[in-house]
Amino acid sequence: QLQLQESGPGLVKPSETLSLTCTVSGGSISSSSYYWGWIRQPPGKGLEWIGSIYYSGSTYYNPSLKSRVTISVDTSKNQFSLKLSSVTAADTAVYYCARHWRQEGYFDYWGQGTLVTVSS
Amino acid sequence: EIVLTQSPGTLSLSPGERATLSCRASQSVSSSYLAWYQQKPGQAPRLLIYGASSRATGIPDRFSGSGSGTDFTLTISRLEPEDFAVYYCQQYGSSPRWTFGQGTKVEIK
Repeated sequence: QLQLQESGPGLVKPSETLSLTCTVSGGSISSSSYYWGWIRQPPGKGLEWIGSIYYSGSTYYNPSLKSRVTISVDTSKNQFSLKLSSVTAADTAVYYCARHWRQEGYFDYWGQGTLVTVSS
Repeated sequence: EIVLTQSPGTLSLSPGERATLSCRASQSVSSSYLAWYQQKPGQAPRLLIYGASSRATGIPDRFSGSGSGTDFTLTISRLEPEDFAVYYCQQYGSSPRWTFGQGTKVEIK
């Protein structure tokens, strides 16, 4: 059974960089069939797709966040990571990692999510 | 960017009743690339429907999706106690800007 688990600091200061890692178990991140993505959800609000990465390192990002986002992959560790720079309180959210098919962008496996609060 | 508008915001129903949730897109969603998710408090979303009408693995057949173009519907034929949750639609036909609706809460009447 595929499992995804987010990890990283729960508190980040304004203007700093948010860094999270997603560890994939029960399957290979190097599968040619899938992309791996990040989605966030501010408290009490809806979902926002951040970006996705293929095992080869190919990425695509939400244009509204593209200037601040970097997603990378480490196939040797079966992990992929998110960096979001210059954070503000508006970036406070539960951050989820998830898997989607290469050809289609619906997310079929999700991590449990991790709350990141931006505050001084 | 394709904006998805879900209605109603909240649906108050009793167990055993039929639920009909709407998702309207600001422009046509190509190839019916629309998904539905269920989210319960403190949990990650769970995929219910993809391709507008295909049920995901393990999803009961009381959940069904329909629609095309700009109008999509999620129907729960008979509500079970575990179905009371928030439901989101998502379009993935407009890469690289996938978007979600704002959600519909199905609550116990």
